[in-house]
Amino acid sequence: KNQVEQSPQSLIILEGKNCTLQCNYTVSPFSNLRWYKQDTGRGPVSLTIMTFSENTKSNGRYTATLDADTKQSSLHITASQLSDSASYICVVSPRDNYGQNFVFGPGTRLSVLP
Amino acid sequence: DTAVSQTPKYLVTQMGNDKSIKCEQNLGHDTMYWYKQDSKKFLKIMFSYNNKELIINETVPNRFSPKSPDKAHLNLHINSLELGDSAVYFCASSQRQPGTSGRAAGELFFGEGSRLTVL
Repeated sequence: KNQVEQSPQSLIILEGKNCTLQCNYTVSPFSNLRWYKQDTGRGPVSLTIMTFSENTKSNGRYTATLDADTKQSSLHITASQLSDSASYICVVSPRDNYGQNFVFGPGTRLSVLP
Repeated sequence: DTAVSQTPKYLVTQMGNDKSIKCEQNLGHDTMYWYKQDSKKFLKIMFSYNNKELIINETVPNRFSPKSPDKAHLNLHINSLELGDSAVYFCASSQRQPGTSGRAAGELFFGEGSRLTVL
């Protein structure tokens, strides 16, 4: 069964610190993996996308890594800001995704404190 | 210019009532979705339409009926509302990637959500 797990479930850090969020998936075969950011009361917004052949992708202070062999991805946030407080959702797209049936992780809730 | 817009943003209603949520996307995408986000914040697919054709219909009560009048609109009608229907409902759209025989799924663009509260 295609599944996506994320850890930790929640995380609290101080402003300016770095953090890393984890995503493990069992989706196979696999096409691409995205990290989404969901602010409170808003819809999720895509941060990064990686195909199975990519190892790392950056978007400003956000850097995602992917190890397709171990089926793990991480999202590293550098020099956190208060505006980084949000849920971060890992979403995997199976290959041959005719149905566009994405597999969602449960999300990690990040709180950045001043 | 909102890419994916859904209305209403908030909906409070009594058990047993019927209500609808509307969604429109101006991105020219060929696929639209309804997701339900419960109190634990987990997003679950409910329905997916591609060019007005239903392609994903997860296990949801048949009180939920999606309707896609054209590929830019996907509405959700809910009959006989129950307490357990209280959640945030997100509309989304995506476009199949060219040059991949329709295999690769594009980025999901979400609306702002419609918070439904059933009393």
